[in-house]
Amino acid sequence: DVKVTQSSRYLVKRTGEKVFLECVQDMDHENMFWYRQDPGLGLRLIYFSYDVKMKEKGDIPEGYSVSREKKERFSLILESASTNQTSMYLCASSPQAVGGSIFDTGELFFGEGSRLTVL
Amino acid sequence: KQEVTQIPAALSVPEGENLVLNCSFTDSAIYNLQWFRQDPGKGLTSLLLIQSSQREQTSGRLNASLDKSSGRSTLYIAASQPGDSATYLCAVKVIGYGNKLVFGAGTILRVKS
Repeated sequence: DVKVTQSSRYLVKRTGEKVFLECVQDMDHENMFWYRQDPGLGLRLIYFSYDVKMKEKGDIPEGYSVSREKKERFSLILESASTNQTSMYLCASSPQAVGGSIFDTGELFFGEGSRLTVL
Repeated sequence: KQEVTQIPAALSVPEGENLVLNCSFTDSAIYNLQWFRQDPGKGLTSLLLIQSSQREQTSGRLNASLDKSSGRSTLYIAASQPGDSATYLCAVKVIGYGNKLVFGAGTILRVKS
């Protein structure tokens, strides 16, 4: 079974702190994603990566950065946390679909989520 | 811009009923469509993935169909159980939209024992 592990299930941080959210997948997937989920707004893509050291902005990248130094690990960084970044953060990974381009990804697998509260 | 709509927003049924959840999308140029379930406070669990060239996929009591031309997918759950209670989301991967999935808002399902 595919396992996507998010290191922290619950975090409480103060405004202005630097926050790291870590995600590790064990299936050698090329693609990794960070979403946030908010009531009434659904899931929104923050960043994704289709290879080591490669990243692409999603729909709401402002206030976030990412790092992918190793294929299995994708980190989301909040340089200076703000209260409007209080949310559920979800990491996902997927293989590249056979015969497809880097954008034609296969099935998406999610981690358990990290609930971040910024005070 | 691709929009994904899920109807109904919420559904409550007695145990044992067969039920259908609906997902519609506005742009038929998709790579695939995926159904997920989400339990409260948890991540999403993949249920079924349908590629654009496929018409349906089955897994146990679940069957998902895809009609790309009409922009519709249905998730059929047979013989529902209380453990099926969760939020069900569909998501489409749009051609020409990079690596992004567009998610519906979900259907909250409650199966009463």
